[in-house]
Amino acid sequence: AQSVTQPDIHITVSEGASLELRCNYSYGATPYLFWYVQSPGQGLQLLLKYFSGDTLVQGIKGFEAEFKRSQSSFNLRKPSVHWSDAAEYFCAVGGPGGGNKLTFGTGTQLKVEL
Amino acid sequence: SAVISQKPSRDICQRGTSLTIQCQVDSQVTMMFWYRQQPGQSLTLIATANQGSEATYESGFVIDKFPISRPNLTFSTLTVSNMSPEDSSIYLCSVLKDRGSNQPQHFGDGTRLSIL
Repeated sequence: AQSVTQPDIHITVSEGASLELRCNYSYGATPYLFWYVQSPGQGLQLLLKYFSGDTLVQGIKGFEAEFKRSQSSFNLRKPSVHWSDAAEYFCAVGGPGGGNKLTFGTGTQLKVEL
Repeated sequence: SAVISQKPSRDICQRGTSLTIQCQVDSQVTMMFWYRQQPGQSLTLIATANQGSEATYESGFVIDKFPISRPNLTFSTLTVSNMSPEDSSIYLCSVLKDRGSNQPQHFGDGTRLSIL
């Protein structure tokens, strides 16, 4: 069975500080990995995705994530956080081997202090 | 990416009633999914909507409670039947352009449902 763990429920950072959100996954085949962001009252927006190839992937809004197969991790990073980044972030795993069904982590709520 | 429209965006319903949520995509897509996000929780897959055949439900979800239709490659509906306060959630539609290709799922803005 596929699963995702986001160990940090809440994270608070100061504006301009760096950010890393953790994500660990379990998947029986080569995983497709995703980070989505949900602002209050909004749907989910795709930040970035990993399918194969280069393990460091770039996304929108200055975010990047690194796939580490040995650690079953796909952590999200941003070098300098902006106040508008405050939102909930979800890591998800899925792929054709699992019928393209996505399994989501429990989410990390990011608060940005000015 | 595809433009996904969900209607209604929100609703307040009485217990025992049913509500049908629509998901319209601006282009043909291979796969459509329905997710539930309970208050303060993550997303859980309800079912995969199959074009021209019965939906494929995940464990814990049944057709009598959540009937789904998908008459073509751009449209699907989810009905929440005989609603109770426990059904108060955000319901989200997502689409995948091509099965097996390196493309992500894209989500609609969701339907925020409150049951009194």
